[in-house]
Amino acid sequence: EAGVTQFPSHSVIEKGQTVTLRCDPISGHDNLYWYRRVMGKEIKFLLHFVKESKQDESGMPNNRFLAERTGGTYSTLKVQPAELEDSGVYFCASSQEPGSYEQYFGPGTRLTVT
Amino acid sequence: GNSVTQMEGPVTLSEEAFLTINCTYTATGYPSLFWYVQYPGEGLQLLLKATKADDKGSNKGFEATYRKETTSFHLEKGSVQVSDSAVYFCALGASSGSARQLTFGSGTQLTVLP
Repeated sequence: EAGVTQFPSHSVIEKGQTVTLRCDPISGHDNLYWYRRVMGKEIKFLLHFVKESKQDESGMPNNRFLAERTGGTYSTLKVQPAELEDSGVYFCASSQEPGSYEQYFGPGTRLTVT
Repeated sequence: GNSVTQMEGPVTLSEEAFLTINCTYTATGYPSLFWYVQYPGEGLQLLLKATKADDKGSNKGFEATYRKETTSFHLEKGSVQVSDSAVYFCALGASSGSARQLTFGSGTQLTVLP
């Protein structure tokens, strides 16, 4: 069974540009989460999808971040325009059970904004 | 709000040494507790978990006991190997309505030398 995949693995962009990160969850997992780790600090929750619906987006830092999950399969996280403080590693995770904390994580996308 | 405080790294040990990584938490209610591990170039993997007080999670020689009285979930291993070199994250899961987000500590980089 394929795990959670993320694309790209690395992205280097200039301040003001746009970047779109993609996450493919494990097949059949309705729950999809985005997290990020900034500057080697703690990993912080961004948002949670159940199928195509946003269940909880309380961790989204501001309106420069837009997450979508059309069709309830893969998800994208767009940052527009990117700022220096957006640099970090963005993790995606998925889970099958609706109330489960046992989440399966992807390898992350390392975003560097210069 | 919920928070996790984790022993700062990096930690460097010789092979076969004893490992302890401290983790304490703040949460309302009765959270579930987790240790995740990230090996170089890979995503986070669930290492072990405990869902109620006095539970002991164990896996691959690692152990952690859920101590409600001290709000702790310290990770231990009796004899580390070079292959244990990774970043270790303590996390808690505490439901808030329908939310199922995880709250992470800042991570501890472990290097085991032969």
